[in-house]
Amino acid sequence: RKEVEQDPGPFNVPEGATVAFNCTYSNSASQSFFWYRQDCRKEPKLLMSVYSSGNEDGRFTAQLNRASQYISLLIRDSKLSDSATYLCALSLRGGADGLTFGKGTHLIIQP
Amino acid sequence: SQTIHQWPATLVQPVGSPLSLECTVEGTSNPNLYWYRQAAGRGLQLLFYSVGIGQISSEVPQNLSASRPQDRQFILSSKKLLLSDSGFYLCAWRNSGANVLTFGAGSRLTVL
Repeated sequence: RKEVEQDPGPFNVPEGATVAFNCTYSNSASQSFFWYRQDCRKEPKLLMSVYSSGNEDGRFTAQLNRASQYISLLIRDSKLSDSATYLCALSLRGGADGLTFGKGTHLIIQP
Repeated sequence: SQTIHQWPATLVQPVGSPLSLECTVEGTSNPNLYWYRQAAGRGLQLLFYSVGIGQISSEVPQNLSASRPQDRQFILSSKKLLLSDSGFYLCAWRNSGANVLTFGAGSRLTVL
C-alpha cells in the first residue's frame, strides 16, 4: 500500500458547485497534514494545514479522520481560478526529513 | 520576509553531461533545506535534505548528489545525467521545528 494515495481525477466540476476529495495515508504515526495547490508547471504552494478538529479558510474546509486515516478537502462555491492540482502532504515522523506527498488530484472548474 | 531562489529555471542537457542546480534562501538562518523531484506523471519524490552546513541526507540512491557549502545554499549535482533524470526539480525550506515547506519556483530539466 502506498504511503499517501489520492484519486488523480480529473474532477470536472461546474463553476459554483461544491467539490470534495480525500487523501488516504498508510502510516498511523503520521503527525502533521497539509493541502498544497499546484498550478500547471509551477511549484506547489501551501493551501492550508489540516488540524485534528477540522479547519476552514474561506471557501475551503479541511478535515482529518485519524481513525480511518484520511484527510479531506472541501471547496464550496468553486471558482474558475480553483482549477489546479491539489496535493496532500504529511509529516511521517515530525522530524527534519520533509513531507511525503500524494500524487495530487487534478481539478477542472468549468464555466 | 523569507524568499527562496532557484536557478536555472529551465535547462536542456545531453545524456552524460554534468548538472548543477542551485538554491538559496534569504531572510532566515539555519533552515532545513530539501531537494524534491517531480517526474512526469509521478508525485513529488524527496531526494535530499540538509539540517545544516555539510550535512546531507539522501532518501533515494541515484546518480545525483547534494551539497550545502553555506547555511542558505543548497546545490544539486550530477556528474553524468541519465534520461531518467528529466523532471521538475524543486528546492524547499522550512525552519527547524516547523512542518510547513515552502518551495522555490523549480528547475525544469530535460535530458536528451
